[in-house]
Amino acid sequence: ETGVTQSPTHLIKTRGQQVTLRCSSQSGHNTVSWYQQALGQGPQFIFQYYREEENGRGNFPPRFSGLQFPNYSSELNVNALELDDSALYLCASSSGTGGDYGYTFGSGTRLTVV
Amino acid sequence: AQSVTQLDSQVPVFEEAPVELRCNYSSSVSVYLFWYVQYPNQGLQLLLKYLSGSTLVKGINGFEAEFNKSQTSFHLRKPSVHISDTAEYFCAVRNTNAGKSTFGDGTTLTVKP
Repeated sequence: ETGVTQSPTHLIKTRGQQVTLRCSSQSGHNTVSWYQQALGQGPQFIFQYYREEENGRGNFPPRFSGLQFPNYSSELNVNALELDDSALYLCASSSGTGGDYGYTFGSGTRLTVV
Repeated sequence: AQSVTQLDSQVPVFEEAPVELRCNYSSSVSVYLFWYVQYPNQGLQLLLKYLSGSTLVKGINGFEAEFNKSQTSFHLRKPSVHISDTAEYFCAVRNTNAGKSTFGDGTTLTVKP
């Protein structure tokens, strides 16, 4: 079975720009969650998508938005980038939305905002 | 609301010594408990999880954890560590009916020869 694939692995953006991060979920998984991991901290929940609908959101402003496609892949979009958005963005897929479903994480996208 | 506190930010230990990484949590609802490991420049890998049943949970790579409901703790242990166990370890909790996980800030385990 294939794992979770994220692209790109690294990118550098300028403050005020927009960015799109991509995630291909593990085969058979229909739920995708996005997390932001700042340096030296644990991952923070951004939102979750299930069957192309947002199914839960953390404490992030509306300039963080997402999409899930019919094949369950997903995008994270961030508008009006700020310096504090610099972080590792992790995508995790699972086969359901319940608390007992295990996550499979991708290796992340390292975003640097200058 | 939920929170997770990992009581040690860094744990240095010699190879073949035992180790315990401590995790306390608070939550107003029932939760599931998880430990993940993160190697440099990689995502998180699940070590073990507690859903129900026996409070002693065994995971991969020889790790185990014990759920203590009265002390709201879920400490991770390994009787004998290897150099390859050097990594960042994260404790996490998740509502029993929702997918959002709340993570601690991590414990850096450094195994010295």
